[in-house]
Amino acid sequence: DTQMTQSPSSVSASVGDRVTIACRASHGIRSWLAWYQQKPGKAPKLLIYGASTLQSGVPLRFSGSASGTDFTLTISGLQPEDYATYYCQQGNSFPLTFGGGTKVEIK
Amino acid sequence: QVQLVESGGGVVQPGRSLRLSCAASGFRFSGYGMHWVRQAPGKGLEWVAVISPDGSKRYYEDSVRGRFTISRDNSKNTLYVQMNSLRLEDTAVYYCAKDPGDGSGSHIDYWGQGILVTVSS
Repeated sequence: DTQMTQSPSSVSASVGDRVTIACRASHGIRSWLAWYQQKPGKAPKLLIYGASTLQSGVPLRFSGSASGTDFTLTISGLQPEDYATYYCQQGNSFPLTFGGGTKVEIK
Repeated sequence: QVQLVESGGGVVQPGRSLRLSCAASGFRFSGYGMHWVRQAPGKGLEWVAVISPDGSKRYYEDSVRGRFTISRDNSKNTLYVQMNSLRLEDTAVYYCAKDPGDGSGSHIDYWGQGILVTVSS
């Protein structure tokens, strides 16, 4: 199975800050990497797929990048509605696996 | 718009069975792979199973293989998961989720609101 290691597990940031979340795959997964946002009591929401393709309707302040087995989600200019938990997920092979999550909290 | 509505959750004793259903609307159900994903209370996301559009291919996470069965009825636009020999560690919110393609991998583009399954004696 491909393990997904996400860091940090939590981050405190202020409105307007740039936030970066990292995700590392234990094996090569090409660009089969997605990012999701989840708010308390709600279902996850797809933000990015294919490592860097923004899902329709997602604000442009969200972006994704990749370098080998390392992937990054960047939020440029954090907004109040962005406080949530973010998960990465590999889709290269079954079982699909998720990172442990990163909680973005208000500073 | 895509809608996925789960039902069938509740409290069940260890070793017993439960079947979850997911009613789909707003898209051509028979054309897409479908997943179940779960989330234990206060924990992260865990993928459970996927089924291809015609139901011919199914894949499972190791801890549920042999106990859970994913299936679908394309005439009813409904996804199912039959959960047998339930364990305490199966307690979670279960999400029905849509694949953007045939379910051969990649990602999930739409999620249901989730339904709670509690395994407790």
